Amino acid sequence: GIQVEQSPPDLILQEGANSTLRCNFSDSVNNLQWFHQNPWGQLINLFYIPSGTKQNGRLSATTVATERYSLLYISSSQTTDSGVYFCGSGGGTSYGKLTFGQGTILTVHP
Amino acid sequence: NAGVMQNPRHLVRRRGQEARLRCSPMKGHSHVYWYRQLPEEGLKFMVYLQKENIIDESGMPKERFSAEFPKEGPSILRIQQVVRGDSAAYFCASSPRQGDGYTFGSGTRLTVV
Repeated sequence: GIQVEQSPPDLILQEGANSTLRCNFSDSVNNLQWFHQNPWGQLINLFYIPSGTKQNGRLSATTVATERYSLLYISSSQTTDSGVYFCGSGGGTSYGKLTFGQGTILTVHP
Repeated sequence: NAGVMQNPRHLVRRRGQEARLRCSPMKGHSHVYWYRQLPEEGLKFMVYLQKENIIDESGMPKERFSAEFPKEGPSILRIQQVVRGDSAAYFCASSPRQGDGYTFGSGTRLTVV
C-alpha cells in the first residue's frame, strides 16, 4: 500500500512566523488531503488537493503528484494554529480510503 | 447542515463487553470511512462503506470487529468482547463520492477498563 511520510515531526514557532510542512507519498495518488487536529481532538479538513495549488486565507497547499509530495504553507502563524497536521493520501481502486502520515505537531507561542 | 454526527462521544466498557459506535454521515454523503487513533499516534484506516456495501475492510482486525451501513440509519462499528488494547479514539468521516474531500465527526473515545 501507499506509504506516507511527514516532516518535520515537531515544529515550534513564535506567533507571526511562517512555516512549511511536507508530505511525501510512495506511489501515484488521486486523493490527497490535509487536516488539522486541534488540541480538543477535532479533525478539520484544510485542503483536498490531489494536484495543483490552493489557498485559503493564511494557509496554502501545493501538490506535485509527479514528484510524489505535497506542501502545506502556514503564514503569519497564530496560537490557534497549534495542533497536529495530518496528510492523507489515496490511490488505486479504493482511492476513497486514505493512508495517513504520522503528523507534524505544531506549537505556536505568543 | 449538521455535519458528521458520532455518538456516543465517550464510551466506557469493561473487558469482554460489546461496544457499538454510531456514525451519521453528512446529508447527501453516501460514503463512510472509519479510522482508529491510538494515543499519540496517527490515524489508521479500518473500513470503507457505501450504503449497504462494504467497499474495503482491509484495515479491520479479523476477529471481534464488524461494520455496517444499512439502507436506513447510521453506520455502526461493532466491537465484540473488548480488550484493553481496543481503547482508542474512533473517527468516522463521510464524503459525497469516492475520492472526494472528507468531513470528520468528533470521534468516539472508547475506554476499556
